[in-house]
Amino acid sequence: GAGVSQSPSNKVTEKGKDVELRCDPISGHTALYWYRQSLGQGLEFLIYFQGNSAPDKSGLPSDRFSAERTGGSVSTLTIQRTQQEDSAVYLCASSSFGQESGYTFGSGTRLTVV
Amino acid sequence: GIQVEQSPPDLILQEGANSTLRCNFSDSVNNLQWFHQNPWGQLINLFYIPSGTKQNGRLSATTVATERYSLLYISSSQTTDSGVYFCAVAGIQFYFGTGTSLTVIP
Repeated sequence: GAGVSQSPSNKVTEKGKDVELRCDPISGHTALYWYRQSLGQGLEFLIYFQGNSAPDKSGLPSDRFSAERTGGSVSTLTIQRTQQEDSAVYLCASSSFGQESGYTFGSGTRLTVV
Repeated sequence: GIQVEQSPPDLILQEGANSTLRCNFSDSVNNLQWFHQNPWGQLINLFYIPSGTKQNGRLSATTVATERYSLLYISSSQTTDSGVYFCAVAGIQFYFGTGTSLTVIP
């Protein structure tokens, strides 16, 4: 697609439920990143996928968080047993290094845990 | 990881004024970008500028990689420039600064 697509744009869930957030990167971009942004805060790195390499999971805050990227394209971020502190905007970005396109972000998923 | 510091943290401008935002980083990087996050939360890529100077309309940016800083210039500011400006630098992953929150008042 022309841009990075994220779905859903908004998600309200009850504490303790699992949620899945989806990111569809720009076609041909080999790198995909997940960040989250809490209200009024900067961006917190979560996980990074590059091609077929093992992902860099160093930013995942707990083992309730996991992500996968199937076929080198679409990525799903899963949060199990959601907690209120998980409420944030989850942003996905993709890039293709070696080109002067840098990072392109999706519009994010606003997750609210009630 | 790489430390990224942005200044000032907050800035209020009268419409039509000029401003300079600064980004300092702690290590050599192979990528640097400036982003604008609008009031709706959307992150817009302004410049991909690991070194040198680029201009796009009223905005320009300069990165001096050897001295580990980048500057974003906004000239003739408009109310639509309001939002948060982030600098992000990359080794393997991107490291974001905490941003400069800009408010342009009419």
